[in-house]
Amino acid sequence: QQPVQSPQAVILREGEDAVINCSSSKALYSVHWYRQKHGEAPVFLMILLKGGEQKGHEKISASFNEKKQQSSLYLTASQLSYSGTYFCGTESGDYKLSFGAGTTVTVRA
Amino acid sequence: ETGVTQTPRHLVMGMTNKKSLKCEQHLGHNAMYWYKQSAKKPLELMFVYNFKEQTENNSVPSRFSPECPNSSHLFLHLHTLQPEDSALYLCASSQVTGGFNQPQHFGDGTRLSIL
Repeated sequence: QQPVQSPQAVILREGEDAVINCSSSKALYSVHWYRQKHGEAPVFLMILLKGGEQKGHEKISASFNEKKQQSSLYLTASQLSYSGTYFCGTESGDYKLSFGAGTTVTVRA
Repeated sequence: ETGVTQTPRHLVMGMTNKKSLKCEQHLGHNAMYWYKQSAKKPLELMFVYNFKEQTENNSVPSRFSPECPNSSHLFLHLHTLQPEDSALYLCASSQVTGGFNQPQHFGDGTRLSIL
C-alpha cells in the first residue's frame, strides 16, 4: 500500500521554510526521500532507518517517527534549486519501495 | 550522471509494434527495477530483479516482458501495447545488503508514447 504525502503542492519564496509529510498504514523499516526535477531522474536525498533518527542534506532534513509510521521532510531557508517534486518511498522489510504521489515544491525569487 | 543509463530516451510506437527498452548500470549493484511513472500518479513498481532473479512481478500485464541477462543490464520488451501504457518508464538499481534496502539510483527514463 502506498504512503500518503501532504501537501500535494507548496509555493515558497526564497528563504522560507516548508514541511512535507509522509505517512503509511504499514510498519516501516525505512523511509527514503527523493527529489525529481522536470525531465530528470529522481535523485536520492536521504534514507531514515527504523529508530527515529534524523538526517540532513544541506539545509534539508528529515525525521522518522516509527510509532506513527510517519516521516517529515524539512526544507529550511529554501533556495531556488529546491524546486522540484519530492517523493517519499517506504520500505517494510521486503526490499521494495512504495512511493507516495509526490509534493511539488516551487521556490520563487 | 547517475550511473544508470537508459535507452532510448523517447519512443513512439504503434499498438502492434514490438520494441525494447534498455537499462545499464555502472554502479556494481545487485538489484535492478522497472517503474512506470504516469502524470499525477505515484511511481508504480513493475518488476524487481535481485541477483538476476526476478523477485517481483507487480501484476503487470504480459505485454510487458522483462529480461535481466546479468546484474548490469535490464531490458523491458514491449508488444501490443495499449494507449494507457504511454508513460515515463524508469529503471533503477540498488545494492541489497543486510535487512534494509539501500538508496535507489534512477536513470533518466524512456518517454513512451503509444499511437
